[in-house]
Amino acid sequence: AQRVTQPEKLLSVFKGAPVELKCNYSYSGSPELFWYVQYSRQRLQLLLRHISRESIKGFTADLNKGETSFHLKKPFAQEEDSAMYYCALIIHNFNKFYFGSGTKLNVKP
Amino acid sequence: DAGVTQSPTHLIKTRGQHVTLRCSPISGHKSVSWYQQVLGQGPQFIFQYYEKEERGRGNFPDRFSARQFPNYSSELNVNALLLGDSALYLCASRSVGSKNIQYFGAGTRLSVL
Repeated sequence: AQRVTQPEKLLSVFKGAPVELKCNYSYSGSPELFWYVQYSRQRLQLLLRHISRESIKGFTADLNKGETSFHLKKPFAQEEDSAMYYCALIIHNFNKFYFGSGTKLNVKP
Repeated sequence: DAGVTQSPTHLIKTRGQHVTLRCSPISGHKSVSWYQQVLGQGPQFIFQYYEKEERGRGNFPDRFSARQFPNYSSELNVNALLLGDSALYLCASRSVGSKNIQYFGAGTRLSVL
């Protein structure tokens, strides 16, 4: 069963436009969710964690347990935000990490 | 700090062969996880090792095995290679108490012909 779903493979927006990358998860327990980002020719790296409730590079993500979602948002996209974004879920009881299939964000000038 | 290092960077094998991939974690990190990333998909969890013991396993066949050494480096072994094993294999390390923050290596690109 797919634990993490990212419905959009590609999202194109213009610079300065708001952006929302969708992530839905399937888990009945208490989830711990992450967003990872991979810039061109770079390694996969952590962007933010839901537990931290922080804003990184202008991005925020709120866990909505009712909708089982953890969408990533930024009010004003920048060209340097163009990258591959992955939503991920950890299930502690089984020490398993699940990644979504990723969304490629393309910010046009 | 060099970060997580993986070797080799690229590898070409033929069906039925065996392969060993290596990973050195960040100094001080005792946990290592392995992932398979097929083109166009997200990383799929294979194994997690902590203190030389397997702590988690994904849905992969028994042809996949791994181990962790006393210096916390790790090897991923795949036997009887299939064409479908062609993928980027990622290693990630984290420290205890790091709040599950994983640091990824650049990966090993395996091609099975």
